[in-house]
Amino acid sequence: SQTIHQWPATLVQPVGSPLSLECTVEGTSNPNLYWYRQAAGRGLQLLFYSVGIGQISSEVPQNLSASRPQDRQFILSSKKLLLSDSGFYLCAWSQDRDSPLHFGNGTRLTVT
Amino acid sequence: KNQVEQSPQSLIILEGKNCTLQCNYTVSPFSNLRWYKQDTGRGPVSLTIMTFSENTKSNGRYTATLDADTKQSSLHITASQLSDSASYICVVSVVEYGNKLVFGAGTILRVKS
Repeated sequence: SQTIHQWPATLVQPVGSPLSLECTVEGTSNPNLYWYRQAAGRGLQLLFYSVGIGQISSEVPQNLSASRPQDRQFILSSKKLLLSDSGFYLCAWSQDRDSPLHFGNGTRLTVT
Repeated sequence: KNQVEQSPQSLIILEGKNCTLQCNYTVSPFSNLRWYKQDTGRGPVSLTIMTFSENTKSNGRYTATLDADTKQSSLHITASQLSDSASYICVVSVVEYGNKLVFGAGTILRVKS
């Protein structure tokens, strides 16, 4: 069966520090991979998605970047965190754009 | 204005009771409409997916309905359990945006004994 791992679960980082959140998927090949951010009281916002290794689409211009160095690995990064980067970050995968999304358990990021 | 509006924002019901959550959307055309359940501090889990031609889809005690004419969907929960306490999120896949998903803000359901 397929599983998705996302870590860390919580993270507290000072403003200006770098960020690296990692997500890996097991049990499937060539998945679509996604990074979402969830703000309280608002719908999930798509940040990045990838349909293959090295292929990244950015939905919202911002202080973050994403990379897909391997088929089942998706990384969310920042060189210098801002206070506004605080939030709940979710990684997800799907077989294609019409299939259900399968989410990781998220990372609660607090930038201080 | 949000393209996917959910109501109510929050709801408290007694264990064993039924409830219905609403989703109104303005995006059109769409390829499918989804309902997800999100426990506190966890990622959302898929409950149902309906194409625009389907009227209803069930998953155990969860039944989703879709009225494409009025652009409304509902999620009905039967015989609620304490474990149903969660946020329920309505999501629409928009054809115009290449099947991009547009998420509602969710309805927070609390089931109490």
